[in-house]
Amino acid sequence: RKEVEQDPGPFNVPEGATVAFNCTYSNSASQSFFWYRQDCRKEPKLLMSVYSSGNEDGRFTAQLNRASQYISLLIRDSKLSDSATYLCVVGGDSWGKFQFGAGTQVVVTP
Amino acid sequence: DAGVIQSPRHEVTEMGQEVTLRCKPISGHDYLFWYRQTMMRGLELLIYFNNNVPIDDSGMPEDRFSAKMPNASFSTLKIQPSEPRDSAVYFCASSFQGDGKNIQYFGAGTRLSVL
Repeated sequence: RKEVEQDPGPFNVPEGATVAFNCTYSNSASQSFFWYRQDCRKEPKLLMSVYSSGNEDGRFTAQLNRASQYISLLIRDSKLSDSATYLCVVGGDSWGKFQFGAGTQVVVTP
Repeated sequence: DAGVIQSPRHEVTEMGQEVTLRCKPISGHDYLFWYRQTMMRGLELLIYFNNNVPIDDSGMPEDRFSAKMPNASFSTLKIQPSEPRDSAVYFCASSFQGDGKNIQYFGAGTRLSVL
């Protein structure tokens, strides 16, 4: 079983719609959680950290459910520029050591 | 800041040749990571350094792979001899523990093709 699992998608989303997807992780001792975004043929870039109480950054909302060991990302009012692969990232037992999910592809269509 | 700088951006080589990938982390960062990304396996951590010292190399595929960090501003990943299955995008990333944010900043990657 992979340590971090994501639905690969693609999630095809009409512009202006809302899309949400989850990521599950296996290490219950994990302390840090992130969503990174990766555009085609580009490097991953931090989208947002995920805090225990949940957090928003503009149109993006991240949630953490420790009991069920998953994190989620919700994108409201989707823009064409939101089309990308979203990587779920979970911090391991060593500071700085991450486990990356395989990514969820989101395609926003006009 | 220029960000994490990797070179070369693209490398095409023949099986059996030595390949050296280079990385300059963000100035002041004390952690450096080497990753490999393929369609089949996603993003895999190969090795990471803290203050130029290798901390965990358990992700290095085999003895053909080696990594060094002679100083705080430079690291190399070497493959010798290279094989077609090494074809992938290799990313370097750096982070700074002192800010407590645990954010990794990635370079643009080196796209390696071994023929």
